[in-house]
Amino acid sequence: QVQLQESGPGLVKPSETLSLTCTVSGGSIHSYYWSWIRQPPGKGLEWVGYVYFTGSTNSNPSLKSRVTISVDRSKNQFSLQLTSMSAADTAIYYCAGYSSGSYSWWGRGALVTVSS
Amino acid sequence: QSMLTQPPSTSGTPGQRVTISCSGTSTNIGSNPLIWYQQFPGTAPRLLIHSNIKRPSGVPDRFSGSKSGTSGSLAISGLQSEDEAEYYCSAWDDSLNGPVFGGGTKLTVL
Repeated sequence: QVQLQESGPGLVKPSETLSLTCTVSGGSIHSYYWSWIRQPPGKGLEWVGYVYFTGSTNSNPSLKSRVTISVDRSKNQFSLQLTSMSAADTAIYYCAGYSSGSYSWWGRGALVTVSS
Repeated sequence: QSMLTQPPSTSGTPGQRVTISCSGTSTNIGSNPLIWYQQFPGTAPRLLIHSNIKRPSGVPDRFSGSKSGTSGSLAISGLQSEDEAEYYCSAWDDSLNGPVFGGGTKLTVL
């Protein structure tokens, strides 16, 4: 059973960069698309971006200029960097694995609060 | 702003059948499979329906999905109190080259 676990700071100051890592266990990061999806408190889901195990990436146009997603195959991890953080970026950030046309595996989520 | 449209809320009584609709466009639901996720408060979403109609193992057959054109729906029959949750539809969007989600529908079991 594939399991995902997010790690990173829970508090980020305005204008700073968020760095989150997702560790994949119980399966290989080789194959599949690995994504970041966020959910502001009390709101719906928003796709942030994905990385394929080869390293190719794509991200939501609304965030594209601020998003970097990378994969470390040797560690079975993938990471998100989101620059110029603001209060609007306060959300639960989920990492998820995309298989057979759907997000079959989800991390438990990491609450990131942007505040000085 | 969500790219797929769902009603914000719905409700039903135990044993009843309820449906949740999801509307999209030709670049998402119209050309890709419809997916449904279930989310309880404080937990991550869980895959409920994929490929329009398929249930992952462990999902009761009370849950069923359908799709026609650029819209689809989730049906829950024999409603139970434990079905009270938020439900999200999703589909790959060819113009975005990524997934889009509906705004979510909160199901209340009365």
